[in-house]
Amino acid sequence: DTAVSQTPKYLVTQMGNDKSIKCEQNLGHDTMYWYKQDSKKFLKIMFSYNNKELIINETVPNRFSPKSPDKAHLNLHINSLELGDSAVYFCASSANRNEKLFFGSGTQLSVL
Amino acid sequence: DQQVKQNSPSLSVQEGRISILNCDYTNSMFDYFLWYKKYPAEGPTFLISISSIKDKNEDGRFTVFLNKSAKHLSLHIVPSQPGDSAVYFCAAPPQTGANNLFFGTGTRLTVIP
Repeated sequence: DTAVSQTPKYLVTQMGNDKSIKCEQNLGHDTMYWYKQDSKKFLKIMFSYNNKELIINETVPNRFSPKSPDKAHLNLHINSLELGDSAVYFCASSANRNEKLFFGSGTQLSVL
Repeated sequence: DQQVKQNSPSLSVQEGRISILNCDYTNSMFDYFLWYKKYPAEGPTFLISISSIKDKNEDGRFTVFLNKSAKHLSLHIVPSQPGDSAVYFCAAPPQTGANNLFFGTGTRLTVIP
C-alpha cells in the first residue's frame, strides 16, 4: 500500500528515444513534484504541480514535459533522450504548501 | 550554487555511540530545516525538522540542533544502531510556504555492529 509509487524502477534506453515515468500518490496531497538526483548526488527540483497546475518549472530542457491528469498523478515525459539525462528521478508529494515531502522509490534512468 | 551543504560525504560510528551529522547553509532567510533518511533503492523519508524559532528539536533517539548565527545545524543520533545506516540529507525550503526544498548532497552513515 505504497503512498507514492512510481514506475518503472529501472529504465535503460538508447539516446534519442522518448520515454515516460509515471507517478501516483494515494495520500490525498495537493502538490506533486519531480526531483532529479544526478551523479554527484545533488537532489534538485525539476517541477512542482499544485492541483494539476504547474507552479515550479526550474531550468530544465523543454524535452522534459510533466503532465498531471489529476492531482493524484504526475507523469514525466522525456523526448530525445541524451546521455546527460542519466540520473535517478524521484517523484514526491506534499500537503499544500507543506514542506514535508513524501518520496517515491525513484526511477533509475540510464541512457546508452 | 549549493545553499545547503553537507561537507562530510561519509561517517562511520560504532553501534551504541553517538552519530553527529552536520549541515551548513548560506541563506540567512531560511527558517525551517528538515532531515531526510535514504536507504539504497528507496526514496528519502522524512526524519525530523526544526523551525528557526527553536534551537533544538528531539524525537526519540534523534535530536536536531540549530545554530542560526553560524548557519549550522546538526543531527545527533544516540545511541546509533545498525539500522540507522543510510544516507542522511539536510534540506530547507527557499522561503516560508515554498513548495520545494533545497537539499544537501547527503552524508552516508555506517553504524558498525
